[in-house]
Parts: sequence; structure tokens; C-alpha cells
Amino acid sequence: EDQVTQSPEALRLQEGESSSLNCSYTVSGLRGLFWYRQDPGKGPEFLFTLYSAGEEKEKERLKATLTKKESFLHITAPKPEDSATYLCAVTMNSGYSTLTFGKGTMLLVSP
Amino acid sequence: KAGVTQTPRYLIKTRGQQVTLSCSPISGHRSVSWYQQTPGQGLQFLFEYFSETQRNKGNFPGRFSGRQFSNSRSEMNVSTLELGDSALYLCASSPAFEGVGYTFGSGTRLTVV
Repeated sequence: EDQVTQSPEALRLQEGESSSLNCSYTVSGLRGLFWYRQDPGKGPEFLFTLYSAGEEKEKERLKATLTKKESFLHITAPKPEDSATYLCAVTMNSGYSTLTFGKGTMLLVSP
Repeated sequence: KAGVTQTPRYLIKTRGQQVTLSCSPISGHRSVSWYQQTPGQGLQFLFEYFSETQRNKGNFPGRFSGRQFSNSRSEMNVSTLELGDSALYLCASSPAFEGVGYTFGSGTRLTVV
């Protein structure tokens, strides 16, 4: 069965304390891996798409990387406004337009 | 540039009733997908439409249905509502080009009582 597992479920950081979120996947025929950010009461906001092992993408304090089995979202010197739930999702070669999501990591950054 | 618009934002229905939710995608986006989000199951795929045709369907009962119009606007319908249908229903649109992520609306919060 295709699965996407995110860890940890929740993470509390002090402002400036860098860390990483993990997304491991077990799918047959990965097409793409997506990272989203979701604030309470809002829909997910697109951050990155990664397609092949070794690929990296950056946006401000966020950097996403991809291996053959997992992806990491590195957060460097986070600020309180980075507090949100971060969601990982994959699309597969079969049914390529369908996003299969993990349960997310709830990040809280304290000042 | 207008984002994905979902209406209504909140809805309260009684068990056994039916409901229709609406989604207006970003202009030029031809693919519209629907997802159900609950605290226990997270985000689960319902169905996807492209050029008025259902391209994929998730593992939901037949009470859940949808359609897409020629202007790419989409509706989803849930008949014979159950308490477990209470959730945030999210619509996402995409131009269906590689590398372009799906843009989500803010969702419709459905509460079934």
C-alpha cells in the first residue's frame, strides 16, 4: 500500500533554532513530492515540488531535499511566523494528478 | 490574480440532507481536485476533473459526487449526509503543467448534526 509518513507529529522550536522535518514514502513509481504549509482555517499553501533523488529547492528559511526513500524540510533560524502545519504529499506515475498526503508536522516557533 | 474560491465557507446540515459545494479555480486552470480533511484521517483525495471529465476518483462511497463545467468551475455533492462527513472540504486547481503545484482554496467547513 502506498504510504506517506511524516515525523515528528509536532515540533516546538525556539526562534533561531534550526531543525528538520521528515517525510518518508513507500510508493510504487514516484512522480513528484510536494511540500505544503497550512495555517489554521486555511487551505494548504504550495511550497516546493521535487522530482528526483538529489534534488534540492530553497525558499527563504526553508530548504527541501529528496532521496529515494524520504524528503527533508530544513528550517534554518525559524521565526514565529513559520509556525504552521507542514504537509508532505506525493504523486505517482499511475494517477499522477492525485496527491497522497502525510498527516503533517505541526511546528510551533516560540519567540 | 484571484486564487481558488470556495463557497460557502461554512455550512451546517442535518443528517440525511444533501449538500452542494462550489469551487472556482484560478483563471486558466483546467484541473480541479477535491479533498476531504479531518483530524483523524488528514487530507484524502475525493476526485479530480479535467476539461469536464472525471480523471481520477478516490476511495469514497457513491454518496460523494462531483462535476465540472465548461468554464472549469466545479461542484461536489454529498447526499444522505452522515455525522462522519463533517470535515473541511478543499478544492485545488492546477494548469496541469509539470512543476506547477496545485493551489488550494480556503475550503468549506461542513458540520453535520
